[in-house]
Amino acid sequence: NAGVTQTPKFQVLKTGQSMTLQCAQDMNHEYMSWYRQDPGMGLRLIHYSVGAGITDQGEVPNGYNVSRSTTEDFPLRLLSAAPSQTSVYFCASSYSGLAGQGGEQFFGPGTRLTVL
Amino acid sequence: ILNVEQSPQSLHVQEGDSTNFTCSFPSSNFYALHWYRWETAKSPEALFVMTLNGDEKKKGRISATLNTKEGYSYLYIKGSQPEDSATYLCAFRDDKIIFGKGTRLHILP
Repeated sequence: NAGVTQTPKFQVLKTGQSMTLQCAQDMNHEYMSWYRQDPGMGLRLIHYSVGAGITDQGEVPNGYNVSRSTTEDFPLRLLSAAPSQTSVYFCASSYSGLAGQGGEQFFGPGTRLTVL
Repeated sequence: ILNVEQSPQSLHVQEGDSTNFTCSFPSSNFYALHWYRWETAKSPEALFVMTLNGDEKKKGRISATLNTKEGYSYLYIKGSQPEDSATYLCAFRDDKIIFGKGTRLHILP
């Protein structure tokens, strides 16, 4: 049981380049989410998904796209990287809270992204 | 966007002392309140999931209480140890999970 995996662990991009951060989980969790961690800002929600085929915006969605074609995978796409997107990105998953279970999130190890 | 507030932002506590900090959240449309422990260079790990008004949860020296009607939760650490040094995050859950900015706890030897 690998839990939540993220690739790559580190990435350096030039302004304007695009890339996809990969996230996968093997716990059959309905809910998946992407956060970015910036100094003094805690974890801010970028996008989330309550199940395959369903995605929604979080607190800071601009500049990012997501899709959820399977339960297991939830990739995050940077369309045209900007220095303001330099951050550490965490993917997380949990059982859906909509059934009132309120399940805890399990986090991946993070991806450290630098945009020059 | 939901407003989840944590206080204080930072706390220095002498080893052996007890401490507590606060999370405040919207009192409407409540599903759950989570507490996470986040050590430097690691990923956050869940401490408690609290769903009912009046909930009290305990794990070793750490405990938490929940008041959904007034929108706050307290995390308590009894007899602080150096290994308790970390950032403690609370997260409010309705259809999505929003985090507060955390309380950074430093235990002084």
